[in-house]
Amino acid sequence: AQSVTQPDIHITVSEGASLELRCNYSYGATPYLFWYVQSPGQGLQLLLKYFSGDTLVQGIKGFEAEFKRSQSSFNLRKPSVHWSDAAEYFCAVGAGGNKLVFGAGTILRVKS
Amino acid sequence: NAGVTQTPKFRVLKTGQSMTLLCAQDMNHEYMYWYRQDPGMGLRLIHYSVGEGTTAKGEVPDGYNVSRLKKQNFLLGLESAAPSQTSVYFCASSLGSKEQYFGPGTRLTVT
Repeated sequence: AQSVTQPDIHITVSEGASLELRCNYSYGATPYLFWYVQSPGQGLQLLLKYFSGDTLVQGIKGFEAEFKRSQSSFNLRKPSVHWSDAAEYFCAVGAGGNKLVFGAGTILRVKS
Repeated sequence: NAGVTQTPKFRVLKTGQSMTLLCAQDMNHEYMYWYRQDPGMGLRLIHYSVGEGTTAKGEVPDGYNVSRLKKQNFLLGLESAAPSQTSVYFCASSLGSKEQYFGPGTRLTVT
């Protein structure tokens, strides 16, 4: 069965520092991969997606993610974090039949 | 273009009461989904629909029913609410195997 692991429940970074959120997936075929962000009390917003092609994908708000098949990973990065990036981030894998399987989420705190 | 909307935004039920959550999308998407979100567990799929008149069970379907009588609407029903159904419920829609677009959520408390 498909699964997604986000090893870090909470991460705290200083404003202006770089960020990497980890995501590992388990899926037998070539996956569709997504990162979503959820601000408090809000729905989920798509940051970026990987379907095929270039393994480094660019998203909104200055985020990028790299698909590494050999490591079954799709880590999210940002070179310089802003206070407004504080939110919860979810990695998801397309599980076939148009369904998504989500990780448990990583809560990002930004300290000034 | 409102995207995905959900009503109500908040609701408090007593154990045993019933209610229906409404999801509407104006993007002409074929696929619609209902998830529940609980702390530390991410989003878990309750039911989904691949088109008008069709529904299917997801990961956690027990205690819920759904209907998709119109393409733009997807209803989630709780026939006899239980405290374990206290959660935040999200509806989403998509075009095939592409990204899903989410509504703002419904916060449900069952006492």
